[in-house]
Amino acid sequence: LAKTTQPVSMDSYEGQEVNITCSHNNIATNDYITWYQQFPSQGPRFIIQGYKTKVTNEVASLFIPADRKSSTLSLPRVSLSDTAVYYCLVGDMNRDDKIIFGKGTRLHILP
Amino acid sequence: GAVVSQHPSRVICKSGTSVKIECRSLDFQATTMFWYRQFPKQSLMLMATSNEGSKATYEQGVEKDKFLINHASLTLSTLTVTSAHPEDSSFYICSARDVGGVNEQFFGPGTRLTVL
Repeated sequence: LAKTTQPVSMDSYEGQEVNITCSHNNIATNDYITWYQQFPSQGPRFIIQGYKTKVTNEVASLFIPADRKSSTLSLPRVSLSDTAVYYCLVGDMNRDDKIIFGKGTRLHILP
Repeated sequence: GAVVSQHPSRVICKSGTSVKIECRSLDFQATTMFWYRQFPKQSLMLMATSNEGSKATYEQGVEKDKFLINHASLTLSTLTVTSAHPEDSSFYICSARDVGGVNEQFFGPGTRLTVL
């Protein structure tokens, strides 16, 4: 599994768009990029996954540049309930059964 | 979406006793489940990989005789913390990979263990 680097923490205000960038310089050809969200005392929840370019779902967008050495999770118009820890994971989920979590980004939304 | 449950959600026990935590995949089959431990303000740490019908694979530094894992069916894995001590107090989370799915693991809600 490729090593990832994320900001330790971020603050933002309600209604703003929040972008969290993850660096993964050693990403392999077969690796996917997956983001999870975790609230206190809960298990992680899948947010979005992508391989290249842009992926969008009802919750977030994921931007991946052509070299795939980084990715950006974009949360549109955040609310207080988006306060959580966000984890960026990189790996070939078909081959690498286990997921190793990095430190994640602690996002704090202010009113 | 696929659901993974854990039981109990929280447990308090006395030092020296054993505690069993169950992890179930409710609407899919999982040949592989994973057990994590999470201390306050820290990330999830993988403890072991639970394989249906075979022995679990433990991560370095995790005592297999202390954390017993049994994966007896395609929908159930159990973690038993034997002779628990206060330092074992933590948040234990399991995850399961859908054998019929691709590229996604589903996590349980976690179990809060407090050892007095």
